[in-house]
Amino acid sequence: SQTIHQWPATLVQPVGSPLSLECTVEGTSNPNLYWYRQAAGRGLQLLFYSVGIGQISSEVPQNLSASRPQDRQFILSSKKLLLSDSGFYLCAWSVRASGNTDTQYFGPGTRLTVL
Amino acid sequence: AQKVTQAQTEISVVEKEDVTLDCVYETRDTTYYLFWYKQPPSGELVFLIRRNSFDEQNEISGRYSWNFQKSTSSFNFTITASQVVDSAVYFCALLTSGAGSYQLTFGKGTKLSVIP
Repeated sequence: SQTIHQWPATLVQPVGSPLSLECTVEGTSNPNLYWYRQAAGRGLQLLFYSVGIGQISSEVPQNLSASRPQDRQFILSSKKLLLSDSGFYLCAWSVRASGNTDTQYFGPGTRLTVL
Repeated sequence: AQKVTQAQTEISVVEKEDVTLDCVYETRDTTYYLFWYKQPPSGELVFLIRRNSFDEQNEISGRYSWNFQKSTSSFNFTITASQVVDSAVYFCALLTSGAGSYQLTFGKGTKLSVIP
């Protein structure tokens, strides 16, 4: 069966500090990978998605970036965090063979607080 | 553009009561997919169901049932004989099949509290 991991689970960072969140998927090959953010009291917003190694698409312009150095690894980064970057970050995967229409399965999330 | 509306922000029910969570969607695409996810206090989004636009059959899974009606663009979720473990935020979501469209459009969620 497939498993998706995210770490860290919780993170408190000062404004202006860098960020690196990691997501890995086990039990599947060539998945589509996604980063979503859930701000307090708001719905979920897609930040980035990737259909393959080195292929990143951004949905919302911001001071965040994403990378996919390996097939089942997806990293969310920032060089300088803003207060508005606080939120709950969720990684998700779906079967690439189905194109863009397969079910997205989510990881446990990382709760980021920027002070 | 796609839109999902969950008009109920919060619902409280007493244990063993039935509860229906409403979801109304908007899309111009003729092929699309609807989902319900559960987000317990731990935060993880748990997939519950997927429904294709060309399949209007209602579905029942244990105490859960879903009513999909294309005529009213609704995909409502009913929990029968609610339990405390059902307390969570429930999200309805829409995915269209347009080329390059990978984004799930989520509603704002309905927070369900089941009181013992």
